[in-house]
Amino acid sequence: ETGVTQTPRHLVMGMTNKKSLKCEQHLGHNAMYWYKQSAKKPLELMFVYNFKEQTENNSVPSRFSPECPNSSHLFLHLHTLQPEDSALYLCTSSLGTSVRNNEQFFGPGTRLTVL
Amino acid sequence: EDQVTQSPEALRLQEGESSSLNCSYTVSGLRGLFWYRQDPGKGPEFLFTLYSAGEEKEKERLKATLTKKESFLHITAPKPEDSATYLCAVSSGNTPLVFGKGTRLSVIA
Repeated sequence: ETGVTQTPRHLVMGMTNKKSLKCEQHLGHNAMYWYKQSAKKPLELMFVYNFKEQTENNSVPSRFSPECPNSSHLFLHLHTLQPEDSALYLCTSSLGTSVRNNEQFFGPGTRLTVL
Repeated sequence: EDQVTQSPEALRLQEGESSSLNCSYTVSGLRGLFWYRQDPGKGPEFLFTLYSAGEEKEKERLKATLTKKESFLHITAPKPEDSATYLCAVSSGNTPLVFGKGTRLSVIA
């Protein structure tokens, strides 16, 4: 167990649905991240939160909306997604965002399929 | 723009056949290089962080080394349980990690 949990583990949704992914970390970290992992492509950073404040938005379409109510919880709200958004969505956390404390601990991911 | 290239894309080894995975990088001032292991259906698991050229770290059958242009992950006498995708990532300061596509390793008994 890595200390980072994600729910649900699998999600199938239609293009008109609204759903949310949840991430929780039990490591006492201050930074949390969302990544997208597609087949044959590198991990793509989506969002970074440090002390609940968003510090990175990597040109992500507005159909993905993050929320970080506190340092332990991170959500990704999804609406009107496209089939190409089907991927593994990974949540990570780190103690901080500087190079000496940004060792990231990954959750198990949510496998998302958009029909 | 920071870039990471991993090779080979896939590697098939016999049990006990040692080999190396490569991670070449282009960054504007490397601050840290990270290796992760990812099993199918799971999130990546942290292995090593290297901070400066010449640094080496070991964990069981794995040894990571770093030069100014690349890092190697050496696997000595691998076992089937070492089969996984190995990911390399770099940090050039207070920026999020940039990942490579990974090397998919299969170790056959």
